[in-house]
Amino acid sequence: EAGVAQSPRYKIIEKRQSVAFWCNPISGHATLYWYQQILGQGPKLLIQFQNNGVVDDSQLPKDRFSAERLKGVDSTLKIQPAKLEDSAVYLCASSEGTAIEKLFFGSGTQLSVL
Amino acid sequence: GQQVMQIPQYQHVQEGEDFTTYCNSSTTLSNIQWYKQRPGGHPVFLIQLVKSGEVKKQKRLTFQFGEAKKNSSLHITATQTTDVGTYFCAGRTGGGSNYKLTFGKGTLLTVNP
Repeated sequence: EAGVAQSPRYKIIEKRQSVAFWCNPISGHATLYWYQQILGQGPKLLIQFQNNGVVDDSQLPKDRFSAERLKGVDSTLKIQPAKLEDSAVYLCASSEGTAIEKLFFGSGTQLSVL
Repeated sequence: GQQVMQIPQYQHVQEGEDFTTYCNSSTTLSNIQWYKQRPGGHPVFLIQLVKSGEVKKQKRLTFQFGEAKKNSSLHITATQTTDVGTYFCAGRTGGGSNYKLTFGKGTLLTVNP
């Protein structure tokens, strides 16, 4: 089966610019997650969608980050304006929504803010 | 909020030696998952433990879930160079669609051939 698709793979921007990441989950997966992984740390959940509704966005810096999942399929994560500390890998993951909730991760977008 | 702590942060072993990483949660977990992330790669699911005291094996990997469902361990017997990577535990709290999955900071394993 096709995996979780993410683009772009890499992005370099200057601080105060805006950036957007795209994710297409595995077909049929109800739950979609955006994680931020800073070098040397574990993934930190930014936002979790169940179909097109938000389940958890408690750690999303809402003054600069936004995310949407229109039609309950693919999703975009936006940062505006970016700060130096936003440099990280942004991982999208999806799961079926069953009891096991095994997460399938995409390859991620490596963001560098200069 | 919930915290998941992992130790050690780094572990370097000679090929053939054993390796263990430990995971501790500040709260009781519904279940715990383990993931492996190769250098430059993304996390890949290894296993999920649900029951108190559960032990599961995958070839040379042994996973344990504590009796109180607040700690877990991953043990690798006779490490190989293919075991190199960062091992993360992820603790789940809550149930249904209203759950949280919190990742630890991971243990980076390097293996000297």
